[in-house]
Amino acid sequence: NAGVMQNPRHLVRRRGQEARLRCSPMKGHSHVYWYRQLPEEGLKFMVYLQKENIIDESGMPKERFSAEFPKEGPSILRIQQVVRGDSAAYFCASSPPGFGYEQFFGPGTRLTVL
Amino acid sequence: AQTVTQSQPEMSVQEAETVTLSCTYDTSESDYYLFWYKQPPSRQMILVIRQEAYKQQNATENRFSVNFQKAAKSFSLKISDSQLGDAAMYFCAYRINTGTASKLTFGTGTRLQVTL
Repeated sequence: NAGVMQNPRHLVRRRGQEARLRCSPMKGHSHVYWYRQLPEEGLKFMVYLQKENIIDESGMPKERFSAEFPKEGPSILRIQQVVRGDSAAYFCASSPPGFGYEQFFGPGTRLTVL
Repeated sequence: AQTVTQSQPEMSVQEAETVTLSCTYDTSESDYYLFWYKQPPSRQMILVIRQEAYKQQNATENRFSVNFQKAAKSFSLKISDSQLGDAAMYFCAYRINTGTASKLTFGTGTRLQVTL
């Protein structure tokens, strides 16, 4: 059973460009979470999605950031008009349906904004 | 809001010795989970151990054990017989266990060095 997949592993963008980060959850997992880790800091929750639904987006910046988890395909975290402060590692985690399960993390995408 | 505090930015332990990493948290909930995650230089987040708040018995996973003090809201991690491969960032995390609120709240981490 393959783990949580994230791609790309490294992404370089210039200020003002768009960044698209992809996350494929583990097989059978229908819950996806996105976290951001700034340099030398812990992970901060961004958004929690189930298939075709955003359940909790309390950690998402109000502008430029969006996330989706379509019926088919990976979950996408989209950052429009990136700024230097968006440089960070973005982690995706997934868990099975129901509650009480731990989240399994992907390897992360390191975004660098020039 | 729930908060998790790790007051030790860095710790060092000699190989084969024992080290304890501290974590405190603040919550008004009674049903929740606590976790310790390890992040080696590869940056992959690895679950080390978890504790359900309703369980009085401290969780143990091989060389890793916790001291869970619910009244004091304390959740420390003890690593016995430390190995070079234990060197990593360690994050304490909290998750509520009600409704759909399943996000993890992390502390700022403790960097563990293991010396020969």
